[in-house]
Amino acid sequence: GENVEQHPSTLSVQEGDSAVIKCTYSDSASNYFPWYKQELGKRPQLIIDIRSNVGEKKDQRIAVTLNKTAKHFSLHITETQPEDSAVYFCAAPSRNDMRFGAGTRLTVKP
Amino acid sequence: GAVVSQHPSWVICKSGTSVKIECRSLDFQATTMFWYRQFPKQSLMLMATSNEGSKATYEQGVEKDKFLINHASLTLSTLTVTSAHPEDSSFYICSASRGHGGNTEAFFGQGTRLTVV
Repeated sequence: GENVEQHPSTLSVQEGDSAVIKCTYSDSASNYFPWYKQELGKRPQLIIDIRSNVGEKKDQRIAVTLNKTAKHFSLHITETQPEDSAVYFCAAPSRNDMRFGAGTRLTVKP
Repeated sequence: GAVVSQHPSWVICKSGTSVKIECRSLDFQATTMFWYRQFPKQSLMLMATSNEGSKATYEQGVEKDKFLINHASLTLSTLTVTSAHPEDSSFYICSASRGHGGNTEAFFGQGTRLTVV
């Protein structure tokens, strides 16, 4: 089936630094790319998404960039704070499924 | 955004009993529903995909006779863990999708923490 690869699996940054998480996908028909944040014991929450008709979308400290030609998209978090610590998942649709990356555990050290 | 409700949020059961978990899309008709299992500090593991009125498609290694999925309507899917054992203890999450093909969107239930004693 179609895959979504996510890197890195773990990421540790100092408070105030930036964090970048990257994903690649294989289904060229994918047009919608969400990012989810999951805190321990809770459901993944949609934090930002992008559609294939734009290359970048920003929401305060969070931004997502998309390169459809290369089939990769990235999550950028600037001025990280301890409350940003969580597991982040990217996803891309394939046919009628949603395929998820393996997740990135982000730790923001105060 | 779309709302997906999962119930119960936590359950403790005795070994050998069965547990049913419900997943409902409250304000939209879900094209497909997905069931995931998540162990501590690990990623979401897709267990099965279900479409209304048809048999669920199980991922490799997932026992369909142990994890029974019923998708009775476009807004309700249930997962029954049969003859539960302690190793079945985990966090189970459903998601419901809307849209088709490359525009599919997914929305998650709040998850069910199952503890088998």
